Amino acid sequence: DARVTQTPRHKVTEMGQEVTMRCQPILGHNTVFWYRQTMMQGLELLAYFRNRAPLDDSGMPKDRFSAEMPDATLATLKIQPSEPRDSAVYFCASGLAPGNTGELFFGEGSRLTVL
Amino acid sequence: AQSVTQPDIHITVSEGASLELRCNYSYGATPYLFWYVQSPGQGLQLLLKYFSGDTLVQGIKGFEAEFKRSQSSFNLRKPSVHWSDAAEYFCAVAARGAQKLVFGQGTRLTINP
Repeated sequence: DARVTQTPRHKVTEMGQEVTMRCQPILGHNTVFWYRQTMMQGLELLAYFRNRAPLDDSGMPKDRFSAEMPDATLATLKIQPSEPRDSAVYFCASGLAPGNTGELFFGEGSRLTVL
Repeated sequence: AQSVTQPDIHITVSEGASLELRCNYSYGATPYLFWYVQSPGQGLQLLLKYFSGDTLVQGIKGFEAEFKRSQSSFNLRKPSVHWSDAAEYFCAVAARGAQKLVFGQGTRLTINP
């Protein structure tokens, strides 16, 4: 059963600490998206990649966030240093382009709490 | 810029009743349109999508949606809801040929027994 896998599912950390979230996209998918979900802002696109190249990271605070795809099976989102306002659920999604335009497959999310 | 409006933050319906969730979009040309569902503690799952052609599209779990160009709307419907339909529903748009999705704020659906 193909699915997007995210780790960790839950993370509690203290302000100032580094946080790394990982995502394994569905095998064969060539686009990867990072979304952040909060009650106030809803679902916000942070960054996305196609064929491992970053296409858009305009939604990401550049001073503390970074996103990479070291290889086709791993995407990472790093926050350094973390702040309480970063508390949210971070979703990774993958898809196939061109082709199933817009049909994204979401992971179960990483719930981050920064104290 | 693309935007999606879901006017209803929270809707409660009785089990067996019909359902309509509203979605309006703002975009220069007809975008691709989607409805996703999120169960508690889960990621989002695609219910249905509209690219072109027949303006009434069928999706999974008995849902359908109708695209109305004149109203810039893409409302989601189900004739008879089940308790398992309780979830959050998101309308989304993407520019034609693109995969980047812009989501509405979501509508939380509660089902009364």
